[in-house]
Amino acid sequence: QKEVEQDPGPLSVPEGAIVSLNCTYSNSAFQYFMWYRQYSRKGPELLMYTYSSGNKEDGRFTAQVDKSSKYISLFIRDSQPSDSATYLCAMEAAQGGSEKLVFGKGTKLTVNP
Amino acid sequence: NAGVTQTPKFRVLKTGQSMTLLCAQDMNHEYMYWYRQDPGMGLRLIHYSVGEGTTAKGEVPDGYNVSRLKKQNFLLGLESAAPSQTSVYFCASSYVDEKLFFGSGTQLSVL
Repeated sequence: QKEVEQDPGPLSVPEGAIVSLNCTYSNSAFQYFMWYRQYSRKGPELLMYTYSSGNKEDGRFTAQVDKSSKYISLFIRDSQPSDSATYLCAMEAAQGGSEKLVFGKGTKLTVNP
Repeated sequence: NAGVTQTPKFRVLKTGQSMTLLCAQDMNHEYMYWYRQDPGMGLRLIHYSVGEGTTAKGEVPDGYNVSRLKKQNFLLGLESAAPSQTSVYFCASSYVDEKLFFGSGTQLSVL
C-alpha cells in the first residue's frame, strides 16, 4: 500500500460547483498536511497548511483532516475557471526539514465556464 | 523578487550525454531540493541540501549528482543520461520547517 493515495481524476465541474478533493494515507505518524496547487507547466505552490486534525478555512478553500480515518480533504466553494489546475496533497510526520514530505500523485481539476 | 529560478527550461539530450541543471534562489533559504515529476508517479525527491556545502540522497538518487557550493545555488548533474531520466525536474527551496517554494521546472527529454 502506498503511503499516500490520491485519485488522479481528471475531475471536470461547472463553474460555481463545490469541489471535493481527497487523499488517504497509511502512516499514522503524519501530523502536517498540505495542499499544493500546480498550474500547467508551472511548479507547485502551497495552498493550504494544516497541523493535526480539524478544519482550516481560507476564502473559498477549506482543508479538512480526519486523523482517525487517515483521510484529508480540500473543498473549493464557488469554483472558478481559474481554479483549473492539478492539486497535490502532501504530508509529513514531524518538523525537521521538508525532505520527508510525501506527495500524492495529484488530481487534475477542470472548471468549465 | 525572482524566487526560485531554474535554467534551462527545456533540453533534449542523446543517451550518454551529460548536462547540469541550475537552480538559484534569492530568498536566503537554507534548504534546497531537486524533484522529478512523472505521469502517474507524482513528485519524487532526488537529492536535497540542508545548507551550503551539504547534500543528501532522496528517494530516487541513482544516476544524478548534486552540488551546493553557494547557499543560493543548487546544481543537478546527469553524467550519462538515460531515456528513463526523461522527466520534468523541479527545484524547490525552504526555510527549515517551512513551506516549499518551487521553480517553474525543466522539461528534459533523453532520446
